[in-house]
Amino acid sequence: EAQVTQNPRYLITVTGKKLTVTCSQNMNHEYMSWYRQDPGLGLRQIYYSMNVEVTDKGDVPEGYKVSRKEKRNFPLILESPSPNQTSLYFCASSLNFGATGYTFGSGTRLTVV
Amino acid sequence: GESVGLHLPTLSVQEGDNSIINCAYSNSASDYFIWYKQESGKGPQFIIDIRSNMDKRQGQRVTVLLNKTVKHLSLQIAATQPGDSAVYFCAETSYDKVIFGPGTSLSVIP
Repeated sequence: EAQVTQNPRYLITVTGKKLTVTCSQNMNHEYMSWYRQDPGLGLRQIYYSMNVEVTDKGDVPEGYKVSRKEKRNFPLILESPSPNQTSLYFCASSLNFGATGYTFGSGTRLTVV
Repeated sequence: GESVGLHLPTLSVQEGDNSIINCAYSNSASDYFIWYKQESGKGPQFIIDIRSNMDKRQGQRVTVLLNKTVKHLSLQIAATQPGDSAVYFCAETSYDKVIFGPGTSLSVIP
């Protein structure tokens, strides 16, 4: 089944403890992106990647890192999580940017205490 | 389920009626538009798309209308069903950016 897989689904962590949210797609998509979704603020882009080894900042990149060492994987790294990063995170992919709509993952609910 | 937004515009329709969800987009250079559906506890799901060289596109029970003059996009759902209850987002794509609208919550009354 064509899909974007995120893990974990839920995560509660403490301030400052590094964490990684994984994202993998099996559709050979070139474009991948991370979003956070907050009540009243909608979907905001954190980072995106046009292809392997190419990553760029979105609208809210502060406090996050990403890597794209292979086409299928696009992990989101929080080096030192803070409570304001408590949010619902979505990974998304598309064949190419602007060519088709996104396929989204199921989301990761992160709580930083 | 998880709430995806507070104070979202809400549309309530009777089961079997048609629904129309509207979206104003911001960038006149946007050339690709998509509607997504997000059910509680799930990620957004692609419904239908339209390019700027078209003004109407139909899918199964859904129609998207694009009015570039006033930068307006609408999603029409025919014979609305309880399973259509969700938050609906429009998204506009320009050269290097995708912008999502705030979403509209559709509630179907059985």
